Amino acid sequence: DIRMTQSPSSVSASVGDRVTITCQASQVISSWLAWYQQKPGKAPKLLIHTASILESGVPSRFSGSGSGTDFTLTITNLQPEDFATYYCQQAHSFPLIFGGGTKVEIK
Amino acid sequence: EVELVESGGGLMQPGESLRLSCAASGFTVSGKYMNWVRQAPGKGLEWVSCIFGSGTTYYADSVKGRFTISSDNSINTVFLQVNSLSAEDTAVYYCATIKRGTTSFDIWGQGTRVTVSS
Repeated sequence: DIRMTQSPSSVSASVGDRVTITCQASQVISSWLAWYQQKPGKAPKLLIHTASILESGVPSRFSGSGSGTDFTLTITNLQPEDFATYYCQQAHSFPLIFGGGTKVEIK
Repeated sequence: EVELVESGGGLMQPGESLRLSCAASGFTVSGKYMNWVRQAPGKGLEWVSCIFGSGTTYYADSVKGRFTISSDNSINTVFLQVNSLSAEDTAVYYCATIKRGTTSFDIWGQGTRVTVSS
């Protein structure tokens, strides 16, 4: 199975900051990587698929990059509604594995 | 409008069984990869199972042999039969579809909570 290592597990930031979250796959997954945002008590929301393709309706301050084994989610100009937990997910093959999550907290 | 609505969760005792349901509207489940993803309290997301079309199924190793995914196209609903429940199965269970051309989850239900406790 492909393992996903996500870091950091939490980050404190202020409105307007730039936040970077990384995800590393245990083997090459090309660009088959997705990012999700989850707020407390809610279902996850797909932000980015295929490593860098923004899902419809997602603000352009979210961006994804990477290929192979190393991937990054960047949030520029952090907004109050962006404080949430973010997960990566390998979309290369079953079993579909999520990273451990990164909680973005208010500094 | 595309929507997934889960039901069937509740408070269960160890060793019991239950069947979760995911009713879809706005699309036909037979044409989508339909999945269950769970989240234990305070923990991350864990993919559980997937079904596609006439019955191709996939399972996480952690549930293989105890969980069975199925679908009833006549009522546009996907099910997850969960047997031999243990405390480790306590979680919110989400139904989710896979976005065409990818293996990422684009549509999610609101989740149904399963609590296993004696």
